[in-house]
Amino acid sequence: GQNIDQPTEMTATEGAIVQINCTYQTSGFNGLFWYQQHAGEAPTFLSYNVLDGLEEKGRFSSFLSRSKGYSYLLLKELQMKDSASYLCAALYNTNAGKSTFGDGTTLTVKP
Amino acid sequence: DSGVTQTPKHLITATGQRVTLRCSPRSGDLSVYWYQQSLDQGLQFLIQYYNGEERAKGNILERFSAQQFPDLHSELNLSSLELGDSALYFCASTLLGMSGGSEETQYFGPGTRLLVL
Repeated sequence: GQNIDQPTEMTATEGAIVQINCTYQTSGFNGLFWYQQHAGEAPTFLSYNVLDGLEEKGRFSSFLSRSKGYSYLLLKELQMKDSASYLCAALYNTNAGKSTFGDGTTLTVKP
Repeated sequence: DSGVTQTPKHLITATGQRVTLRCSPRSGDLSVYWYQQSLDQGLQFLIQYYNGEERAKGNILERFSAQQFPDLHSELNLSSLELGDSALYFCASTLLGMSGGSEETQYFGPGTRLLVL
């Protein structure tokens, strides 16, 4: 299988930094996506990593280690509107372009 | 706005009935995916179409079927509905759907919320 593992829930304080981890199986791996999903709404694309290292996009950064099968999403200067589910999705070359989604990490930002 | 449209937004029906959900992908995207998301659950992949042909199948029940038409819009048919089919159904589209790179970024429609009573 191509299990994607990420924590179910996390809580952080407004203004703080939070790191959401994701692990995946490395065989056939082709890239990793992060999506944000607010309750009752559609997921929206945040980032894509295919090479090792950190990609920064404003308050959000995403890191990938291909050899370790590990990624994280880093959110800085947390705002209340960042309360959402964050989905890790891995792309495999055996899956005809279909990303395999994790179950998501529900982040609650408290004042 | 992702450019993916889904209709209807909401659907209320009774057990045993049949419904059709419709999705239009972003302009230029060839691949369409269907997902089911029950309350507080993750996205469950149902099925993928690429340029009119079925490409991948997930946990799709036999009571469910889908197709992608020549104009690339897709329909998901749900029959003999049960209470447990109540969920958000999302459609997503990608440029290719052929296993490579950032072109596989999925753009999701707003979803159809189905309630089976």
